[in-house]
Amino acid sequence: GQQVMQIPQYQHVQEGEDFTTYCNSSTTLSNIQWYKQRPGGHPVFLIQLVKSGEVKKQKRLTFQFGEAKKNSSLHITATQTTDVGTYFCAGPPGSQGNLIFGKGTKLSVKP
Amino acid sequence: DGGITQSPKYLFRKEGQNVTLSCEQNLNHDAMYWYRQDPGQGLRLIYYSQIVNDFQKGDIAEGYSVSREKKESFPLTVTSAQKNPTAFYLCASSIRNSNQPQHFGDGTRLSIL
Repeated sequence: GQQVMQIPQYQHVQEGEDFTTYCNSSTTLSNIQWYKQRPGGHPVFLIQLVKSGEVKKQKRLTFQFGEAKKNSSLHITATQTTDVGTYFCAGPPGSQGNLIFGKGTKLSVKP
Repeated sequence: DGGITQSPKYLFRKEGQNVTLSCEQNLNHDAMYWYRQDPGQGLRLIYYSQIVNDFQKGDIAEGYSVSREKKESFPLTVTSAQKNPTAFYLCASSIRNSNQPQHFGDGTRLSIL
């Protein structure tokens, strides 16, 4: 079936280091969405990328959507303790499909 | 403030018992969803509804049931047929269809007594 894979599953960094999580789909996605879930909390929508090769920035976060619309990445520059949480990518295969979520990358930041 | 309200926050189920999780939204969203989240796992879709009085099974619908009698409400019943119900249940909503960003409630943690 259709799958969205995310790597790594866990990432431990020292505060100030950079962090990247990668998302790969077995099928072309009409868009890619990123969510953040703080420990004990619920997923919160961060951003949506629609166009092939699109790059968007939110302060220290940079999001990319691959040319083939099958992969994406989230890069955080100079991590802070407030970045702690699990980052999920999600995408709908085709224009009518439901979101398929990756299993997430759990980020921990050591002060 | 607009948002999604899930209740209760914690719920305990006895063997053979059905329990109902509440989800209410005042975002005027057409689409609503129920997900199950297990530790270290992503979100798995249980049921979804894109319009009042209509809903569809997701990937793991067995042992669950839903209703959508009002636009604002999408309750989930975990039946006794669900043999492993312990999980974190998340309700979400979105504008019109499932391509759009989803807004999540705070979730309900269900455990077996």
